[in-house]
Amino acid sequence: DAKTTQPPSMDCAEGRAANLPCNHSTISGNEYVYWYRQIHSQGPQYIIHGLKNNETNEMASLIITEDRKSSTLILPHATLRDTAVYYCIVRASNAGGTSYGKLTFGQGTILTVHP
Amino acid sequence: NAGVTQTPKFQVLKTGQSMTLQCAQDMNHEYMSWYRQDPGMGLRLIHYSVGAGITDQGEVPNGYNVSRSTTEDFPLRLLSAAPSQTSVYFCASSYTTGKRGYTFGSGTRLTVV
Repeated sequence: DAKTTQPPSMDCAEGRAANLPCNHSTISGNEYVYWYRQIHSQGPQYIIHGLKNNETNEMASLIITEDRKSSTLILPHATLRDTAVYYCIVRASNAGGTSYGKLTFGQGTILTVHP
Repeated sequence: NAGVTQTPKFQVLKTGQSMTLQCAQDMNHEYMSWYRQDPGMGLRLIHYSVGAGITDQGEVPNGYNVSRSTTEDFPLRLLSAAPSQTSVYFCASSYTTGKRGYTFGSGTRLTVV
């Protein structure tokens, strides 16, 4: 599985954009980048994923560099409820990949949104 | 559409007891998996299944058994509970195409005394 590296913690002011970086320099061509978050002790929540194009949904935007070795999750207007641990994960997109189906969680980034 | 349902939400076991953690999903997902999360740590994969009748081990399978007789259900069995198995257990499911995210249950908090 491709490994990911994230900063252990970040702070963000409420209402500002939160930009969470992730390095995945060993990512393979068939591996997607996924982002999840875990609020307190709840089950992780899917946020967004992408292969090589930038993606946007109602929760966030995902910017993937052209060489796919890193990505940034953007929460455009962070709120206090966005305080959580954010996980960046790579996962194969088909049955041929060795990481097929598995999500390997690292330590993630603890994002604290303050008033 | 209930998503992923885990039962029970809380459980206390004595060392040596056995029990089954239940997980059910109603989204017709082929892929299901079990994770455990210890305090201050990320999630670790215990077992997973890519379809009915097919299971495989994850990162920390010792002390746990699984079976997948139906698409909907993926129970996790603790054979002889040990204090080291005190943890929060999460079940997750997804399509196998890898093009969608996982849906996680709300977790089972297990304490072994």
